[in-house]
Amino acid sequence: QKEVEQDPGPLSVPEGAIVSLNCTYSNSAFQYFMWYRQYSRKGPELLMYTYSSGNKEDGRFTAQVDKSSKYISLFIRDSQPSDSATYLCAMGSNTGKLIFGQGTTLQVKP
Amino acid sequence: DAGVTQSPTHLIKTRGQQVTLRCSPKSGHDTVSWYQQALGQGPQFIFQYYEEEERQRGNFPDRFSGHQFPNYSSELNVNALWLGDSALYLCASSSLATVGETQYFGPGTRLLVL
Repeated sequence: QKEVEQDPGPLSVPEGAIVSLNCTYSNSAFQYFMWYRQYSRKGPELLMYTYSSGNKEDGRFTAQVDKSSKYISLFIRDSQPSDSATYLCAMGSNTGKLIFGQGTTLQVKP
Repeated sequence: DAGVTQSPTHLIKTRGQQVTLRCSPKSGHDTVSWYQQALGQGPQFIFQYYEEEERQRGNFPDRFSGHQFPNYSSELNVNALWLGDSALYLCASSSLATVGETQYFGPGTRLLVL
Protein backbone atom coordinates (compact mmCIF):
# COMPACT_ATOMS: atom_id res chain seq x y z
CA GLN A 1 0.00 0.00 0.00
CA LYS A 2 1.32 3.43 -0.93
CA GLU A 3 1.76 5.97 1.87
CA VAL A 4 -0.24 8.52 -0.15
CA GLU A 5 -3.07 7.63 -2.52
CA GLN A 6 -4.41 10.07 -5.11
CA ASP A 7 -6.83 9.37 -7.95
CA PRO A 8 -4.93 10.17 -11.17
CA GLY A 9 -8.08 11.14 -13.08
CA PRO A 10 -8.23 12.68 -15.61
CA LEU A 11 -10.92 15.01 -14.33
CA SER A 12 -12.77 17.18 -16.87
CA VAL A 13 -15.11 19.98 -15.77
CA PRO A 14 -16.80 22.98 -17.44
CA GLU A 15 -15.54 26.47 -16.73
CA GLY A 16 -17.02 27.88 -13.52
CA ALA A 17 -17.47 24.49 -11.83
CA ILE A 18 -16.32 23.68 -8.31
CA VAL A 19 -13.50 21.13 -8.38
CA SER A 20 -12.73 18.72 -5.56
CA LEU A 21 -9.37 16.94 -5.45
CA ASN A 22 -8.57 14.39 -2.75
CA CYS A 23 -5.77 12.36 -1.19
CA THR A 24 -5.68 9.74 1.55
CA TYR A 25 -2.65 8.73 3.56
CA SER A 26 -1.64 5.99 5.95
CA ASN A 27 1.28 7.46 7.94
CA SER A 28 0.16 9.14 11.17
CA ALA A 29 3.57 10.86 11.44
CA PHE A 30 2.70 13.31 8.67
CA GLN A 31 2.33 16.80 10.10
CA TYR A 32 2.47 19.08 7.03
CA PHE A 33 0.16 18.96 4.04
CA MET A 34 0.70 20.71 0.74
CA TRP A 35 -0.88 21.04 -2.65
CA TYR A 36 1.26 21.75 -5.68
CA ARG A 37 0.15 22.62 -9.21
CA GLN A 38 2.25 21.39 -12.12
CA TYR A 39 1.79 22.56 -15.67
CA SER A 40 2.97 20.31 -18.48
CA ARG A 41 6.78 20.03 -18.61
CA LYS A 42 7.24 22.47 -15.69
CA GLY A 43 8.24 22.14 -12.04
CA PRO A 44 5.60 21.92 -9.28
CA GLU A 45 4.35 25.26 -7.91
CA LEU A 46 3.28 25.48 -4.27
CA LEU A 47 -0.43 26.36 -3.99
CA MET A 48 -1.43 25.67 -0.42
CA TYR A 49 0.30 24.64 2.79
CA THR A 50 -1.25 23.67 6.12
CA TYR A 51 -0.27 21.77 9.24
CA SER A 52 -3.52 21.52 11.17
CA SER A 53 -6.91 19.91 10.71
CA GLY A 54 -9.57 22.20 9.33
CA ASN A 55 -9.88 24.55 6.37
CA LYS A 56 -7.49 27.11 4.91
CA GLU A 57 -8.66 29.48 2.21
CA ASP A 58 -6.65 31.47 -0.34
CA GLY A 59 -8.68 33.18 -3.04
CA ARG A 60 -10.50 30.54 -5.09
CA PHE A 61 -8.63 27.71 -3.36
CA THR A 62 -9.54 25.97 -0.09
CA ALA A 63 -7.42 23.24 1.47
CA GLN A 64 -9.08 20.89 3.93
CA VAL A 65 -7.33 18.45 6.28
CA ASP A 66 -8.97 15.74 8.38
CA LYS A 67 -6.22 14.07 10.40
CA SER A 68 -8.61 11.68 12.13
CA SER A 69 -9.65 10.22 8.76
CA LYS A 70 -6.22 10.74 7.15
CA TYR A 71 -7.82 12.61 4.28
CA ILE A 72 -7.00 15.91 2.61
CA SER A 73 -8.83 17.85 -0.08
CA LEU A 74 -8.34 20.84 -2.34
CA PHE A 75 -11.38 22.74 -3.58
CA ILE A 76 -11.21 25.13 -6.52
CA ARG A 77 -14.14 27.54 -6.92
CA ASP A 78 -15.11 29.19 -10.20
CA SER A 79 -12.62 27.04 -12.09
CA GLN A 80 -10.89 28.61 -15.11
CA PRO A 81 -9.24 27.09 -18.20
CA SER A 82 -5.93 28.34 -16.77
CA ASP A 83 -6.46 25.94 -13.83
CA SER A 84 -5.93 23.01 -16.24
CA ALA A 85 -2.87 21.24 -14.84
CA THR A 86 -1.80 18.31 -12.70
CA TYR A 87 -2.43 18.76 -8.97
CA LEU A 88 -0.11 16.98 -6.57
CA CYS A 89 -0.73 16.45 -2.88
CA ALA A 90 2.37 16.18 -0.70
CA MET A 91 2.94 15.36 2.94
CA GLY A 92 5.88 15.62 5.29
CA SER A 93 7.12 15.40 8.82
CA ASN A 94 10.29 16.94 10.22
CA THR A 95 12.59 14.64 8.26
CA GLY A 96 12.68 16.99 5.26
CA LYS A 97 11.32 14.29 2.96
CA LEU A 98 8.07 14.99 1.13
CA ILE A 99 5.86 12.10 0.01
CA PHE A 100 3.76 12.89 -3.05
CA GLY A 101 0.60 11.45 -4.46
CA GLN A 102 0.52 10.36 -8.09
CA GLY A 103 -1.14 13.61 -9.16
CA THR A 104 -4.61 14.32 -10.58
CA THR A 105 -4.85 15.75 -14.10
CA LEU A 106 -7.52 18.43 -14.34
CA GLN A 107 -8.97 19.89 -17.53
CA VAL A 108 -11.30 22.89 -17.35
CA LYS A 109 -13.21 23.33 -20.59
CA PRO A 110 -14.29 26.83 -21.73
CA ASP B 1 14.28 37.61 -6.29
CA ALA B 2 15.30 34.61 -8.36
CA GLY B 3 13.59 31.37 -7.54
CA VAL B 4 15.16 27.93 -7.73
CA THR B 5 17.19 27.49 -10.90
CA GLN B 6 18.39 24.27 -12.50
CA SER B 7 20.73 23.42 -15.35
CA PRO B 8 20.70 22.06 -17.92
CA THR B 9 17.03 22.03 -18.96
CA HIS B 10 17.37 18.93 -21.13
CA LEU B 11 19.98 16.22 -21.45
CA ILE B 12 20.37 13.11 -23.58
CA LYS B 13 22.79 10.37 -22.48
CA THR B 14 23.44 6.74 -23.38
CA ARG B 15 23.39 3.74 -21.05
CA GLY B 16 26.45 3.45 -18.84
CA GLN B 17 27.33 7.13 -18.97
CA GLN B 18 27.47 9.50 -16.02
CA VAL B 19 25.54 12.77 -15.60
CA THR B 20 25.76 15.83 -13.34
CA LEU B 21 22.77 18.10 -12.73
CA ARG B 22 23.00 21.47 -11.01
CA CYS B 23 20.73 23.51 -8.75
CA SER B 24 20.83 26.97 -7.19
CA PRO B 25 18.40 27.47 -4.30
CA LYS B 26 16.04 30.35 -3.72
CA SER B 27 17.65 33.32 -1.98
CA GLY B 28 17.66 32.85 1.79
CA HIS B 29 17.31 29.05 1.62
CA ASP B 30 19.99 26.73 2.99
CA THR B 31 18.59 23.27 2.24
CA VAL B 32 18.35 21.49 -1.10
CA SER B 33 16.34 18.36 -1.88
CA TRP B 34 16.37 16.31 -5.08
CA TYR B 35 13.44 14.38 -6.52
CA GLN B 36 12.93 12.10 -9.51
CA GLN B 37 9.63 12.32 -11.37
CA ALA B 38 8.80 9.59 -13.88
CA LEU B 39 6.15 10.30 -16.50
CA GLY B 40 2.66 10.23 -15.00
CA GLN B 41 3.94 9.84 -11.44
CA GLY B 42 4.49 12.09 -8.45
CA PRO B 43 8.04 13.13 -7.51
CA GLN B 44 10.09 10.57 -5.55
CA PHE B 45 12.54 11.83 -2.91
CA ILE B 46 16.20 11.08 -3.66
CA PHE B 47 18.05 12.95 -0.88
CA GLN B 48 18.38 16.24 0.96
CA TYR B 49 21.48 18.31 1.72
CA TYR B 50 22.01 20.78 4.55
CA GLU B 51 25.32 22.33 5.64
CA GLU B 52 27.08 20.34 2.91
CA GLU B 53 25.97 17.02 4.44
CA GLU B 54 23.40 14.50 3.28
CA ARG B 55 20.62 14.88 5.84
CA GLN B 56 18.12 12.33 4.59
CA ARG B 57 18.08 9.77 1.78
CA GLY B 58 15.27 8.04 -0.05
CA ASN B 59 15.21 4.56 -1.55
CA PHE B 60 17.69 5.15 -4.37
CA PRO B 61 20.89 3.16 -5.12
CA ASP B 62 24.39 4.44 -4.46
CA ARG B 63 24.68 5.32 -8.16
CA PHE B 64 22.87 8.49 -7.11
CA SER B 65 25.12 10.85 -5.19
CA GLY B 66 25.15 14.52 -4.43
CA HIS B 67 27.04 17.45 -3.13
CA GLN B 68 26.26 20.81 -1.60
CA PHE B 69 28.63 23.74 -1.86
CA PRO B 70 29.29 26.51 0.71
CA ASN B 71 27.01 28.87 -1.28
CA TYR B 72 24.17 26.29 -0.80
CA SER B 73 24.05 25.29 -4.46
CA SER B 74 23.97 21.58 -5.15
CA GLU B 75 24.78 18.89 -7.68
CA LEU B 76 23.17 15.54 -8.36
CA ASN B 77 25.39 12.88 -9.93
CA VAL B 78 24.13 9.67 -11.45
CA ASN B 79 26.63 6.99 -12.48
CA ALA B 80 26.17 3.99 -14.78
CA LEU B 81 22.96 5.35 -16.30
CA TRP B 82 20.30 2.92 -17.39
CA LEU B 83 17.08 3.37 -19.32
CA GLY B 84 14.96 3.55 -16.15
CA ASP B 85 16.78 6.71 -15.06
CA SER B 86 14.95 8.66 -17.79
CA ALA B 87 12.83 11.17 -15.86
CA LEU B 88 12.38 14.78 -14.82
CA TYR B 89 14.84 15.60 -12.02
CA LEU B 90 13.58 18.28 -9.68
CA CYS B 91 15.47 20.34 -7.17
CA ALA B 92 13.63 21.94 -4.26
CA SER B 93 14.96 24.45 -1.76
CA SER B 94 13.83 25.29 1.76
CA SER B 95 14.99 26.81 5.00
CA LEU B 96 15.63 24.44 7.87
CA ALA B 97 14.68 27.23 10.29
CA THR B 98 11.16 27.46 8.85
CA VAL B 99 8.53 25.29 10.55
CA GLY B 100 7.48 22.59 8.11
CA GLU B 101 10.38 23.41 5.76
CA THR B 102 8.13 24.38 2.87
CA GLN B 103 9.88 23.32 -0.32
CA TYR B 104 9.95 25.36 -3.52
CA PHE B 105 10.74 23.61 -6.76
CA GLY B 106 12.80 24.54 -9.78
CA PRO B 107 11.75 23.88 -13.38
CA GLY B 108 13.58 20.55 -13.51
CA THR B 109 16.07 18.87 -15.79
CA ARG B 110 14.61 16.38 -18.25
CA LEU B 111 17.00 13.45 -18.69
CA LEU B 112 16.61 10.94 -21.49
CA VAL B 113 18.77 7.81 -21.44
CA LEU B 114 19.04 5.92 -24.73
